[in-house]
Amino acid sequence: GQQVMQIPQYQHVQEGEDFTTYCNSSTTLSNIQWYKQRPGGHPVFLIQLVKSGEVKKQKRLTFQFGEAKKNSSLHITATQTTDVGTYFCAGYGGSQGNLIFGKGTKLSVKP
Amino acid sequence: NAGVTQTPKFRILKIGQSMTLQCAQDMNHNYMYWYRQDPGMGLKLIYYSVGAGITDKGEVPNGYNVSRSTTEDFPLRLELAAPSQTSVYFCASSYDSRSYGYTFGSGTRLTVV
Repeated sequence: GQQVMQIPQYQHVQEGEDFTTYCNSSTTLSNIQWYKQRPGGHPVFLIQLVKSGEVKKQKRLTFQFGEAKKNSSLHITATQTTDVGTYFCAGYGGSQGNLIFGKGTKLSVKP
Repeated sequence: NAGVTQTPKFRILKIGQSMTLQCAQDMNHNYMYWYRQDPGMGLKLIYYSVGAGITDKGEVPNGYNVSRSTTEDFPLRLELAAPSQTSVYFCASSYDSRSYGYTFGSGTRLTVV
């Protein structure tokens, strides 16, 4: 079945450093979504990418969707302690009725 | 606008007991989902519903049951609780299954002892 893989599983950075998490699918995706879950909290929808090669920005966060629509990335510039949490990607492949979530990348930021 | 409301927030069950996790949304979303999240792990889909009266199994449905009698409510029933069901349970809803982000509830932390 369709799988969505995320790397790395964990990332520890010093405050001010950049951070990137990658999401890869075994099949072509019609769209990809990104979520953030703060420690002890629930996933919160951040953004959706639909078009091949699409790039979207939210302040210090940059989201990319690959040209082949099989991979995506989330880049955070100059991390802050408020960025701490787990970032999930989720893709829809079309043959199944629901989003397939990756296992997430847990980000910790040292002040 | 409350979004997705889950109750209870915490619960401790003894092995073999049963309980119902409540989920309600006020956004008139057709699609609703139940996920479980084990420590350090991702989200696993238990059951989902595409509208009132329609439910279907997800990735890990064994030991659970659902019903969807109204658009607003999507309760999850645990029968004969087992330690393997210790987890955090999230309910989510969406306008459709692909074009809109999911709105998650704040979760129910369940411990089976």
